[in-house]
Amino acid sequence: EAQVTQNPRYLITVTGKKLTVTCSQNMNHEYMSWYRQDPGLGLRQIYYSMNVEVTDKGDVPEGYKVSRKEKRNFPLILESPSPNQTSLYFCASSLSYSGKGGISYNEQFFGPGTRLTVL
Amino acid sequence: RKEVEQDPGPFNVPEGATVAFNCTYSNSASQSFFWYRQDCRKEPKLLMSVYSSGNEDGRFTAQLNRASQYISLLIRDSKLSDSATYLCVVPSGGSYIPTFGRGTSLIVHP
Repeated sequence: EAQVTQNPRYLITVTGKKLTVTCSQNMNHEYMSWYRQDPGLGLRQIYYSMNVEVTDKGDVPEGYKVSRKEKRNFPLILESPSPNQTSLYFCASSLSYSGKGGISYNEQFFGPGTRLTVL
Repeated sequence: RKEVEQDPGPFNVPEGATVAFNCTYSNSASQSFFWYRQDCRKEPKLLMSVYSSGNEDGRFTAQLNRASQYISLLIRDSKLSDSATYLCVVPSGGSYIPTFGRGTSLIVHP
C-alpha cells in the first residue's frame, strides 16, 4: 500500500529534550516536506527536500533541522524543543516539483500526523 | 495582501444544498492549483486539481479565474459526509514552497 508513515503519532516532552520525528514514504517520491498546523494559522511548511541530500527552508524553519540521506526517509529534528513548537506536524511527499517556466506542483501525500506537546 | 486567502466559514448548509467556496491568490505566475479536503485533525487529502478549463468530478466542480486571481470549488447536492475543511493550495511565486490557505469549514446538517 502506497503511504507516508510518521512516528511517533503522539509525543509529550519537556523543553530542551532533543527529539526526532521520523517520516518514511514507499512511493519513490523525490519531493518531501514537513508542515506544522496550528489553529488559525493553517498549514505552514517547515522544510522541504527536492531529493537526496537536497534540503531547503520553508516558511517557518527556526528551531528545526532535517536530513535526507535516503530517498524514502525525511526525519524532522528538534534539537531543543520549546513550548511554541507544540503543534500538529505533517510529513508529505510528492513525485516531483518541476520549475520549468511557471512552478508546477504535484499532488502531495500526507502522513497521518504527529501531535507534539512541549511542556 | 496575503498570498492565499479563504473565508474560514463555517458554511452551515442542509443536505442537498449547493455550496461554493472561493480562494484568492496573489501570485499571478502560479500555474497549478489544488483543493484538498481535511477531516478533523486528520491529514489533508487531495480532492481535485484545478485546471484552466475547469474540472468536474461528480458533485464537485473546480474553476480557475486568472483575471481575478481566484479559484472556486462548487459542491452540489451536499452530503453529511462532505462536512470537512477545504484547503486551497497555490505554489508560492519563484519557490518550491506551496502555500496552503487556512481552509474553509463546511458543515452539512440533516
